[in-house]
Amino acid sequence: EVHLVESGGGLVQPGGSLSLSCAASGFTFRNYWMHWVRQAPGEGLVLVSRINPDGSYTNNADSVKGRFSISRDNAKNTVSLQMDSLRVDDTALYYCVRGASDWIGIDYWGQGILVTVSS
Amino acid sequence: DIVMTQTPLSSPVTLGQSASISCRSDQSLLHSDGDTYLSWLQQRPGQPPRLLIYKISNRFSGVPDRFSGSGAGTDFTLKISRVEAEDVGIYYCMQATQFPHTFGQGTKLEIK
Repeated sequence: EVHLVESGGGLVQPGGSLSLSCAASGFTFRNYWMHWVRQAPGEGLVLVSRINPDGSYTNNADSVKGRFSISRDNAKNTVSLQMDSLRVDDTALYYCVRGASDWIGIDYWGQGILVTVSS
Repeated sequence: DIVMTQTPLSSPVTLGQSASISCRSDQSLLHSDGDTYLSWLQQRPGQPPRLLIYKISNRFSGVPDRFSGSGAGTDFTLKISRVEAEDVGIYYCMQATQFPHTFGQGTKLEIK
């Protein structure tokens, strides 16, 4: 069974940094794209960042370019999101999401981790 | 970015009846590889989203056949037959044809 467990969230001041981590199990992690999707309180879903299976290629949404960085450790089955220069509007529930294997898209979601940016 | 627009934003349905949700993209979702990467997700209250349908009409693992998807190009529909109480939640369409993958604003399904 696919499991994705996020950690590292919390309260941070504007301009601060935070690092999220996602521990994956139940599948061959090194074969899959991984994504971070966020959901602001009461709002919809926004793809933030993605990384290819071997970690050599990443994409970030324009809203986080230059501030967020995604990485992965295939030996430890983890994917991380380093978030710098955080803004109040980065406040959201951050989901770790697996890329689909046989089509372009996403399939399994973690439970999410809350990031609150506030002074 | 591709803009996804869902209608209605709220859909009150009687238990046992059907519900339909529309999703329109502002450009074609037909990929150069010939597939169309339009998915539907369900988010029950307090839960993370769950994949229901991928590539317009393919049900994901474990999804009941009460859920069906259709459409092509820029217009897509999710139909839920024989609505049950557990179907309450917010439904999102999502395109993955072009990065960034983008989502509709969500349709809230509630029981009358």
